[in-house]
Formats: sequence, C-alpha cells, structure tokens
Amino acid sequence: SQELEQSPQSLIVQEGKNLTINCTSSKTLYGLYWYKQKYGEGLIFLMMLQKGGEEKSHEKITAKLDEKKQQSSLHITASQPSHAGIYLCGADNREMNAGNMLTFGGGTRLMVKP
Amino acid sequence: DSGVTQTPKHLITATGQRVTLRCSPRSGDLSVYWYQQSLDQGLQFLIQYYNGEERAKGNILERFSAQQFPDLHSELNLSSLELGDSALYFCASSVGGGRRFYNEQFFGPGTRLTVL
Repeated sequence: SQELEQSPQSLIVQEGKNLTINCTSSKTLYGLYWYKQKYGEGLIFLMMLQKGGEEKSHEKITAKLDEKKQQSSLHITASQPSHAGIYLCGADNREMNAGNMLTFGGGTRLMVKP
Repeated sequence: DSGVTQTPKHLITATGQRVTLRCSPRSGDLSVYWYQQSLDQGLQFLIQYYNGEERAKGNILERFSAQQFPDLHSELNLSSLELGDSALYFCASSVGGGRRFYNEQFFGPGTRLTVL
C-alpha cells in the first residue's frame, strides 16, 4: 500500500521566516493534495498537483511536485501567525480499482512565533 | 466554510452503544467520503459513496456501516462502540467519484466522538 511520509513532524519558526515542508511517497504520485488543519477542526483544501514538475502558488504558499512524482514540497514565504496549523499531504490512491480515496501523511505541525 | 456540514459536532457515549453521524455534501457534489482521525492512526479513509452506491472501501471495521441517501446526504453508523473508537470523524465531498477524475475533496468540520 502507498505510504506518505512528511518531514519535519513539527516546526517552530519566527514570523517572517520562510519554511519548507516535504511529503515523500513510497510509490508514484498521481494526484497530490495539500490541506491545512487547525487543531481539532476540519481540513482546508490548499492545492492539488497532478503533473511531474507542476508548481502552484496561492498567496504566500507554493507547492511543487517533483519530476519523478514521488515527492512534493510546500513552501511558505514570510510566514505569519495565521499560517500556524497542521499541514497534511494526501495522495490519490491508485491501488483501488475504483473510487478516489486519499492516503494521508502524518502531518506537519507548524507554529509561528510573533 | 467548505459547504460540507456534519452533525453532531460532539458526541459522548458509552462502550457498547451505537451512534449515527450525519453528513450533507456541498451542493452539486455526488461523492461522499468518510475518514477517521485519531492520534495514533492519523487520518484514515473509511469508505466512499458515489451517487448512492459504495465506490471504495478502506479500513472500515465490520461494526461500522454507512449509506448515502437519494438526497445525497450520508450517514455513518458505529455500533458496539469501544474506547478505541474515540476519534474525529470527517466527511468530505467531491464532484466526481470515478477513476478518470482528479477530485478535490472538501472536508466538513468533523464530529468528535468520545467513548467512555
């Protein structure tokens, strides 16, 4: 079965600093989704990446899917306290014959110190 | 607000009991997904329904069952509850549900289940 490993597991940065979160898959990624979760709350969809080499940006967050399609990175520029939360990567699980189940990584807990 | 609603928000019950969690998908979405999030297992897929039919099944216990109704809302039934079933249960929805599509899944706020 496909496994996703996120690194680091937790991160504390000073406001204004840049940071990167990585998501590595044990198998080829066909669809990679990034979500943000506030503690105990629902997941907020950030971005979806499909093609190797694809890069998407939204406000100060940029996500990339590498050419070999087994790793994705999420980069936050000039972090703000509002960026704090748990970032989860999810992968479209192609092992299923049907359906669109997502397999998720363990999450990266981000704290931004003012 | 994702447009996906879940009720109740919190549920406290005892071991051996049965509960029903309810989910209404975003307007126009045909697929509903159920996920369980716990501290030790992380976020795990349970089951997907597409337009009333079961489409995919994940790590769902036999004590758990789900269905999607003609109006597309879904219910997740958990029975013979155990302490280990305490978790956040999320519902998500998407427009499509087949293998041809990449479907962004939009998550509801979750139901926090506590089994005492």
